[in-house]
Amino acid sequence: AQTVTQSQPEMSVQEAETVTLSCTYDTSESDYYLFWYKQPPSRQMILVIRQEAYKQQNATENRFSVNFQKAAKSFSLKISDSQLGDAAMYFCALGGSNYKLTFGKGTLLTVNP
Amino acid sequence: GAVVSQHPSRVICKSGTSVKIECRSLDFQATTMFWYRQFPKKSLMLMATSNEGSKATYEQGVEKDKFLINHASLTLSTLTVTSAHPEDSSFYICSARDAGGDRNEQFFGPGTRLTVL
Repeated sequence: AQTVTQSQPEMSVQEAETVTLSCTYDTSESDYYLFWYKQPPSRQMILVIRQEAYKQQNATENRFSVNFQKAAKSFSLKISDSQLGDAAMYFCALGGSNYKLTFGKGTLLTVNP
Repeated sequence: GAVVSQHPSRVICKSGTSVKIECRSLDFQATTMFWYRQFPKKSLMLMATSNEGSKATYEQGVEKDKFLINHASLTLSTLTVTSAHPEDSSFYICSARDAGGDRNEQFFGPGTRLTVL
């Protein structure tokens, strides 16, 4: 079975500052993918960033980057230069060979002006 | 590209009635679609995997006779909540995997809010 754990139910950050959201996971598969999704109040799921497990290099997408520690099964998301529009629920997700996604419980991010 | 729509976006029904929710991939073919349920301030829970032309695969604890899934074409999957009760009230989200794209990328619909009175 696959599990995803997000230990921070809520986080807050000042506008323009940096924040890191934590995620740990467990899987018995050797070929898997990791994702961070953003869910704003509209509830539309938006892909923020993805990481293939076989790649050692950490993925980056503009202000978003991950710290992927495969041995520790850790996949944290760093948001730099936080903007008011970054405020949302963030979900870490794990995908395996059957294409199914397992989601963490989410972290509610508040951005303070 | 890679747009997934859901219809309706919001539905209110009486207890005992059935409600059908449609999930469509608008600009790609989806051999596999997924149905999730999300309670307020909670995570997404996978209910079932819908494969085009075959029976859906349900997750443990999900009643297949309660939540009927049909994936009759490469662009449409439907979820029918039969004999709905207030406890079925929830936010239902579908996602679709592009048959010609990255095998691990799913595109999500905007969700359907179901309220059973």
